[in-house]
Amino acid sequence: NAGVTQTPKFQVLKTGQSMTLQCAQDMNHNSMYWYRQDPGMGLRLIYYSASEGTTDKGEVPNGYNVSRLNKREFSLRLESAAPSQTSVYFCASSGVRSFGNTIYFGEGSWLTVV
Amino acid sequence: DQQVKQNSPSLSVQEGRISILNCDYTNSMFDYFLWYKKYPAEGPTFLISISSIKDKNEDGRFTVFLNKSAKHLSLHIVPSQPGDSAVYFCAASGGGGADGLTFGKGTHLIIQP
Repeated sequence: NAGVTQTPKFQVLKTGQSMTLQCAQDMNHNSMYWYRQDPGMGLRLIYYSASEGTTDKGEVPNGYNVSRLNKREFSLRLESAAPSQTSVYFCASSGVRSFGNTIYFGEGSWLTVV
Repeated sequence: DQQVKQNSPSLSVQEGRISILNCDYTNSMFDYFLWYKKYPAEGPTFLISISSIKDKNEDGRFTVFLNKSAKHLSLHIVPSQPGDSAVYFCAASGGGGADGLTFGKGTHLIIQP
């Protein structure tokens, strides 16, 4: 029972480098999300996808791009990493739009930008 | 402007006693509320939820209370156990904005033996 799987678990980047965080869910969920968690800040929504082929900005989208590759996969790309993007990133999914529904999270990806 | 607030960054409770975690919200359009539990180096896991049409929901040792007029919810854990030591996040949805949940900053619950 994998649920939501995200890779890589740990990554160190130099300022200006690019990378993609991968996420896949096996629960046949329609909606997928990317959150970041910073110390003392809770979880903040970066981007979400309500269905295959659609993506929308969340609270903190600047510096990121996303791709909903198919119903299972939702990737997050940092085109030119900055130290302010050092964070823990969580991918999540839910059955329908999150209103009234539960979101399930992956294990997290620890990203350090130096 | 924080729409979901958890004003206690940490809470220490003796094993066997009741733990009460509090959460306040400002957006009156929120209609669904959830609590998540998070251990270090793991993703948040869903604990319990409540719809705005209810004022109480129970699941075993966990009970969530919602006071809509005060825009306040609380999570009660009875009795508290060592495995309950974790960070607890309050979350809300239906706020009329972007999809996804709006989270509080979390409360670190420490259960002391």
